[in-house]
Amino acid sequence: SAVISQKPSRDICQRGTSLTIQCQVDSQVTMMFWYRQQPGQSLTLIATANQGSEATYESGFVIDKFPISRPNLTFSTLTVSNMSPEDSSIYLCSVEDHGSGANVLTFGAGSRLTVL
Amino acid sequence: ELKVEQNPLFLSMQEGKNYTIYCNYSTTSDRLYWYRQDPGKSLESLFVLLSNGAVKQEGRLMASLDTKARLSTLHITAAVHDLSATYFCALHRTDSWGKLQFGAGTQVVVTP
Repeated sequence: SAVISQKPSRDICQRGTSLTIQCQVDSQVTMMFWYRQQPGQSLTLIATANQGSEATYESGFVIDKFPISRPNLTFSTLTVSNMSPEDSSIYLCSVEDHGSGANVLTFGAGSRLTVL
Repeated sequence: ELKVEQNPLFLSMQEGKNYTIYCNYSTTSDRLYWYRQDPGKSLESLFVLLSNGAVKQEGRLMASLDTKARLSTLHITAAVHDLSATYFCALHRTDSWGKLQFGAGTQVVVTP
């Protein structure tokens, strides 16, 4: 199955700063997805990252706050900009896992951000 | 608006007994997922259900899908402590490939 590596696994950040999260997959994938899981909550899709085009954002999420890069078929970054305590969440990337069979969507281990 | 509703949100189980988690959704879709999340961990894929009447089983867990009723169930047989976790259902959105709409999750605690 696909191996997804996320960095950092966790971080404590100061209000007003920005942090970039990396997602690396061990196989080429067309689309990568970024989700947010706020404390004690379910997962919400932030955006879809396609290689060679602008990311598409879900309602309530904007590029200025969550800029995304997708330079190749195995890598993506999500930046959380000008952070506030409300941004304290786990951020997860997801891809279709061809190694596990069709239709399986696999998640990375997540990046747990705490904003003080 | 697409809605995915899970219930119950919390389930206290006694070891050895059987329980069911329900997942209702508001629009049609081509697949439904069940995931497990342990505290502080990421999501583990349990099942992908593709068609009406689909039933999949792994160990003490069995998932089924009724697309006409827009209902999926996750049945736990003879609960054991190792099954303590949060279980999410997630509906594949048909507006764009690969996007999931998650239910709120069911926190399961299994006690002796």
